[in-house]
Amino acid sequence: DTGVSQNPRHKITKRGQNVTFRCDPISEHNRLYWYRQTLGQGPEFLTYFQNEAQLEKSRLLSDRFSAERPKGSFSTLEIQRTEQGDSAMYLCASRDDQDIGTGELFFGEGSRLTVL
Amino acid sequence: AQTVTQSQPEMSVQEAETVTLSCTYDTSENNYYLFWYKQPPSRQMILVIRQEAYKQQNATENRFSVNFQKAAKSFSLKISDSQLGDTAMYFCALSYGNKLVFGAGTILRVKS
Repeated sequence: DTGVSQNPRHKITKRGQNVTFRCDPISEHNRLYWYRQTLGQGPEFLTYFQNEAQLEKSRLLSDRFSAERPKGSFSTLEIQRTEQGDSAMYLCASRDDQDIGTGELFFGEGSRLTVL
Repeated sequence: AQTVTQSQPEMSVQEAETVTLSCTYDTSENNYYLFWYKQPPSRQMILVIRQEAYKQQNATENRFSVNFQKAAKSFSLKISDSQLGDTAMYFCALSYGNKLVFGAGTILRVKS
């Protein structure tokens, strides 16, 4: 098991372009989370999935953001018409329902987005 | 609303010494978990230590221990015998439903 994997690690784009990030969780984990972390701040919750169902979305997730987990395995986070304010680290985390009582999340290394 | 506050943006400590990072939180829940996560530069976040709110005994993991004061809603992290590898951003987090709420973090620098 190689842990949570995120790609690409760094994306530089021009304002107005679309970007997509991919997250591969730990294989046996059925819950998958997306967080956003801006410089000097803690991670902020965006959304989470249980298997393929998206169960909760933050108000931070504007209509330009969409996340999917079509087969309950990997997930994608797409940002349309990027804005400079979208520049941040996008973190993916996963956990198994057996861990739900402990609350521990296992994080990937993140995908850093820079919007010029 | 669930909130987590870390009032120390940066801390430094000499190698082999002890340092304490502060965290306060607010929640209306009675059963919850508190966590300290470590985020080394350009690396993923990893769990340092976890505390169940219903347990009065403070959690300990090797050189890391917590001081959990439930009534005061305080959850500090003590690192003993600090090592250079402890240099990182440390986040305090609170379980809320099926997710975690994080504080803004404290940058800890261990100096040789």
